[in-house]
Amino acid sequence: EAQVTQNPRYLITVTGKKLTVTCSQNMNHEYMSWYRQDPGLGLRQIYYSMNVEVTDKGDVPEGYKVSRKEKRNFPLILESPSPNQTSLYFCASSFTGTEQYFGPGTRLTVT
Amino acid sequence: GQQLNQSPQSMFIQEGEDVSMNCTSSSIFNTWLWYKQDPGEGPVLLIALYKAGELTSNGRLTAQFGITRKDSFLNISASIPSDVGIYFCAGQLVMRNTDKLIFGTGTRLQVFP
Repeated sequence: EAQVTQNPRYLITVTGKKLTVTCSQNMNHEYMSWYRQDPGLGLRQIYYSMNVEVTDKGDVPEGYKVSRKEKRNFPLILESPSPNQTSLYFCASSFTGTEQYFGPGTRLTVT
Repeated sequence: GQQLNQSPQSMFIQEGEDVSMNCTSSSIFNTWLWYKQDPGEGPVLLIALYKAGELTSNGRLTAQFGITRKDSFLNISASIPSDVGIYFCAGQLVMRNTDKLIFGTGTRLQVFP
């Protein structure tokens, strides 16, 4: 089954404790992206990757890092999480960046 | 970052009614997409539009790419309870090389039996 998977689905952590949210797709897509979704603000792009080893900032990249060492994986790293990064996070993938397919989401709470 | 103006913000309708929602922008887009998000899930692509004036259907859903390229519309006919969710529009900017999608803030749809 073609899909985008994220892990974990739910995470509660404390301020400053480094964490990684994994994202994997099995559709051989070149384009991958991370979004955060907050009430009233819709989906905002954090980082995206056009291909392996090619990443760029989205609209809200502060406090986040990404890497794209393999085509199928695009982890999101929070080096020192803060409460304002409490949000619902989505990974998405696409052949071209247009018709993006989303993962199920990761709900992160930082206390 | 730029966002699209999506309206209405929420709708409460009775089963069987038709639904209309739209997205507008001050920018010109070369692609419009419509997504639906069920509670606790990620957005799912419903319809993609690639040409100004294009009208595309997916079952009871019909979407149009506005002639000005600054707006798009989604209609749902004969709504049913499983239509409940949040509907997002997304546009892809013309002059950008980054294939970036700009999302609307969503229309929350509630359907009552």
